Amino acid sequence: DAGITQSPRHKVTETGTPVTLRCHQTENHRYMYWYRQDPGHGLRLIHYSYGVKDTDKGEVSDGYSVSRSKTEDFLLTLESATSSQTSVYFCAISEPLMRQGMVNEQFFGPGTRLTVL
Amino acid sequence: GQQLNQSPQSMFIQEGEDVSMNCTSSSIFNTWLWYKQDPGEGPVLLIALYKAGELTSNGRLTAQFGITRKDSFLNISASIPSDVGIYFCAGLNTNAGKSTFGDGTTLTVKP
Repeated sequence: DAGITQSPRHKVTETGTPVTLRCHQTENHRYMYWYRQDPGHGLRLIHYSYGVKDTDKGEVSDGYSVSRSKTEDFLLTLESATSSQTSVYFCAISEPLMRQGMVNEQFFGPGTRLTVL
Repeated sequence: GQQLNQSPQSMFIQEGEDVSMNCTSSSIFNTWLWYKQDPGEGPVLLIALYKAGELTSNGRLTAQFGITRKDSFLNISASIPSDVGIYFCAGLNTNAGKSTFGDGTTLTVKP
């Protein structure tokens, strides 16, 4: 299994409070991603990173920010949590493969269940 | 943005039956991937498809890359209880890019 950990694994917080989720990898993969998973919506990309201090927005980035100061850590921050951000959050990592016919497989972490009351 | 339509949303089958699910897109992908998510865990890659028309197997799983490059199919033969989970298709267009995921097919297998 790829070495990906997420912390915390479960969190309950109140509306309006800031929340930071951490993704830590030991694989030295260049790319890291944050997704949220909601019933009926599958996996939706929030933000991703191509390298240290190199990040970009995904399809549902409003209300979220990220930071990547080290290869191994990718932080997701909810600046002011809302009930609509109650979800399961997954981190993923991948390494770019430039040879034809090779897959850019993403390895997923175990997830963080966040509840915003 | 690109969207993937995955169907069916859910399936309830008897152990031993075969399963088919598919994914369609409004745009072309160069690579199709199929993932499985067990309850309480993150998705894990099952099969990767690189060329239009390609048919690839992984044990009881067989997946096909549609010739239009806008669809893909996953079949599971002789289902067993441990096949339970959510199956996701994903498409991507570069070896270094991000994937677009379908909404998933939830499979329940009754013993």
